[in-house]
Amino acid sequence: AQTVTQSQPEMSVQEAETVTLSCTYDTSESDYYLFWYKQPPSRQMILVIRQEAYKQQNATENRFSVNFQKAAKSFSLKISDSQLGDAAMYFCAYRKGAGGTSYGKLTFGQGTILTVHP
Amino acid sequence: NAGVTQTPKFQVLKTGQSMTLQCAQDMNHNSMYWYRQDPGMGLRLIYYSASEGTTDKGEVPNGYNVSRLNKREFSLRLESAAPSQTSVYFCASSGLGLAGRTGELFFGEGSRLTVL
Repeated sequence: AQTVTQSQPEMSVQEAETVTLSCTYDTSESDYYLFWYKQPPSRQMILVIRQEAYKQQNATENRFSVNFQKAAKSFSLKISDSQLGDAAMYFCAYRKGAGGTSYGKLTFGQGTILTVHP
Repeated sequence: NAGVTQTPKFQVLKTGQSMTLQCAQDMNHNSMYWYRQDPGMGLRLIYYSASEGTTDKGEVPNGYNVSRLNKREFSLRLESAAPSQTSVYFCASSGLGLAGRTGELFFGEGSRLTVL
């Protein structure tokens, strides 16, 4: 079974600074997708960024970017120019590719609470 | 755009009581899911429905049942609630376009359930 590990239960950053959240995963698959979701205090789950394993280029969405190291099975999230609104729980998630019975079934990490200090 | 709607948002039950969490999506998605979120454990899949008419167990199905009523609706039932089922429950859906290809999930707002 695939596992996703977030080894940092909590992280903090000063406003306008950069922070990196770590995620590692275990899989024997070559085709898969990785995601970072944000959960603010409202409890809503919001997709931050996605990465397709076959793409070598790291995904970027505005201030959010990933460092995808396929061989190392590492998928970290970098938040640049941190804002107070970035404070939330962040979840890393994995999905096996190629549809079928694994279609859409995401495996989540334990989460990292990010605090942003003004 | 309502997206994924789940009810109720909060519920308190006594041990042994039953209840049903309702979920509906208006995005014409094929697949729907129920997850539970517990501190330090992330989100764990309870049951899912890959398409209308099918349901399958996820990682933690014991104590739960589901019904895919139609393409829009997917309910989760606790037949005899236990304190271990105290959790936040999320319904999600997936299924179209780029988001469907990657399996991106669209979530409801969550339901906080407390079993005393």
